[in-house]
Amino acid sequence: KNEVEQSPQNLTAQEGEFITINCSYSVGISALHWLQQHPGGGIVSLFMLSSGKKKHGRLIATINIQEKHSSLHITASHPRDSAVYICAVGYDKIIFGKGTRLHILP
Amino acid sequence: DTAVSQTPKYLVTQMGNDKSIKCEQNLGHDTMYWYKQDSKKFLKIMFSYNNKELIINETVPNRFSPKSPDKAHLNLHINSLELGDSAVYFCASSQDGFYTDTQYFGPGTRLTVL
Repeated sequence: KNEVEQSPQNLTAQEGEFITINCSYSVGISALHWLQQHPGGGIVSLFMLSSGKKKHGRLIATINIQEKHSSLHITASHPRDSAVYICAVGYDKIIFGKGTRLHILP
Repeated sequence: DTAVSQTPKYLVTQMGNDKSIKCEQNLGHDTMYWYKQDSKKFLKIMFSYNNKELIINETVPNRFSPKSPDKAHLNLHINSLELGDSAVYFCASSQDGFYTDTQYFGPGTRLTVL
C-alpha cells in the first residue's frame, strides 16, 4: 500500500462546479503540501499545512491530523484550473502522491 | 525577475556521459532542493541543502552529486549517465525547510539519455 493515496486519479467537471481532491496518508506527518502542475509542466506550491484550514482565493485546503486526511477544494472552478494536483507529506522523509488530473470543461 | 532558474532547460546526451544541471534562486532562501519526475510523472525528492549543508539525501545512486557553492546555488552533477536517468529534474527553494515553509519551483530540466 502506498503511504500517500490521492483520489480521484482523474476528474472532469464543468466550469463552475465545486471540486474536491483528497489525500490520505498512512504515517504521522509534520507537514503536508499541495502542489499544482500546469499542463506545460511548471509546478506551483499552493499550500503548506500542518493543521486546520487555509484559504487562498478560490482554493481551500484542510487537514485532519487524527484521520490522516487532507482535502483540496476549488470553488467556482474554471478551465484555467485544469492541471495535476499533487499532495506531498513530510515526516522523516518526503513522499509524494501520484497526483489527481483535473480537467474543467468550459 | 525569475525566482528559481535552471539551466539548461533541455539536455540530450549519450549513455556514459557526465553532465551538470545548474540551479539559482534570487529569493534569499536558505533551503534548496532537487526533485526528479519520472516518465509516469511521479515526483521524488533527491536532495535538500540548508545554507550549503546537505540535510536530505534520499536513496539516490552516488553517480548523482549535489554541489552548493553558496546558499543561492545548488547544482546537480551526474556521472556515467544511464537510460533510467531520463526524467525531468526540478530545483526548488524555500526560506525554511519542507516542514515549515512553502516551496518555489524552477521550470525543470528535461534530461534525455540516449
